[in-house]
Amino acid sequence: DIRMTQTPASLSASLGESVTITCRASQDIGKSLLWFQQKTGKPPKILIYTASNLVSGISPRFSGSGSGTQFSLKISSLKPEDTANYYCCQGYSLYTFGAGTKLELK
Amino acid sequence: EVQLVETGGSLVQPGKSLKLTCATSGFTFSNAWMHWVRQSPEKQLEWVAQIKAKSNNYATYYAESVKGRFTISRDDSKSSVYLQMNSLKEEDTAIYYCTSGSYDYWGQGVMVTVSS
Repeated sequence: DIRMTQTPASLSASLGESVTITCRASQDIGKSLLWFQQKTGKPPKILIYTASNLVSGISPRFSGSGSGTQFSLKISSLKPEDTANYYCCQGYSLYTFGAGTKLELK
Repeated sequence: EVQLVETGGSLVQPGKSLKLTCATSGFTFSNAWMHWVRQSPEKQLEWVAQIKAKSNNYATYYAESVKGRFTISRDDSKSSVYLQMNSLKEEDTAIYYCTSGSYDYWGQGVMVTVSS
């Protein structure tokens, strides 16, 4: 099974700042990596597919990068509505989610 | 408008069975691959199962944690996907979501609690 190690588990940042969340795969997954946002009481929402492709309708403040085993999600110019949990997910061999990152705004 | 509505969740004893239903509308279900994804009380997301479309011979795939106990199926005439869960364990306690193949549509989820 492919394991996804996501860091940090939580972070706090100020409005307008940028943050980066990283995910490391236990083996090479190419670019088969998804990023999701989940707000309290809601299902996950897909943000990015194939590591760096922004889903239609998602703010360009979100960007993804990486390939192989190292991936990152960057959120620029933080807004209050970015408060959420973020998850990576590999789709190279079935699917495995990371443990999630809780983003809070100061 | 795309809708996915899960039903069938409940409190069930370990070892028992339960069947979840996800009724969909607003998209061409017969062409869609579908997944079940669950979220534990600790908020960990876990992919559970996938079923492909008729053109892919309705191929199914399962997480190791549920293989042999859970069965995913679909009825294209009803635009619905199902998850039959047998030999339930306490660790199966979670919110169960159905979602489309590209993860762009999700239901609101249904709670399954396995406890004696």
